[in-house]
Amino acid sequence: EVQLVESGGGLVQPGGSLRLSCAASGFSVSTNYMTWVRQAPGQGLEWVSSLYTGGTTYYADSVKDRFTISRDNSKNTLFLQMNSLTAEDTAVYYCARDKTAFFYYGLDVWGQGTTVTVSS
Amino acid sequence: QSVLTQPPSVSAAPGQNVTISCSGSSSNIGSNYVSWYQQFPGTAPKLLIYDNNKRPSGIPDRFSGSKSGTSATLGITGLQTGDEADYHCVTWDNSMTGVFGTGTTVTVL
Repeated sequence: EVQLVESGGGLVQPGGSLRLSCAASGFSVSTNYMTWVRQAPGQGLEWVSSLYTGGTTYYADSVKDRFTISRDNSKNTLFLQMNSLTAEDTAVYYCARDKTAFFYYGLDVWGQGTTVTVSS
Repeated sequence: QSVLTQPPSVSAAPGQNVTISCSGSSSNIGSNYVSWYQQFPGTAPKLLIYDNNKRPSGIPDRFSGSKSGTSATLGITGLQTGDEADYHCVTWDNSMTGVFGTGTTVTVL
């Protein structure tokens, strides 16, 4: 079964760090284009970052220089390292698969989401 | 960064048809592919339409997509109570960023 399972969310103080994980099954993260999307409480979806098969990474301006997307092919897992967190980063974070670049086939597999709360 | 503009809400009676617009620019919708997602409260989004107008396997043909210039449209025919959800458009931008729409809540009267 093709599946994504996120973990690593939680409560963190402003200025703190958190690393999210997204374990894939039924397909390989290394041969797909992987994306993180977040949704703040009561808000719409926001694209956060994408990692392409060749290793190229893309980031939203709101997270650039603070977040790092990466993958571990041996564990078939996608990561999002989040540093210097602020209250504006509070959201449910989803990982998703894009079978091709630039969302041509759309984000066809999504995880269930993991909640990040930044508060003192 | 860019945001795609959608109406906050649309509503109609069961059996009627609705359309949801998604307005962007030449650097995003005008140059790239649009996909649409359905999201129920507390759950992950689900892909409805990709490549502007194609449906993944299992998506009813009551859902359709189109694109013209810098705008895209999601259509739902024969509205059902089970269609009450939030709908989001998304595309890529030539600035090498993803861009989501503001989201639309569909209400079945």
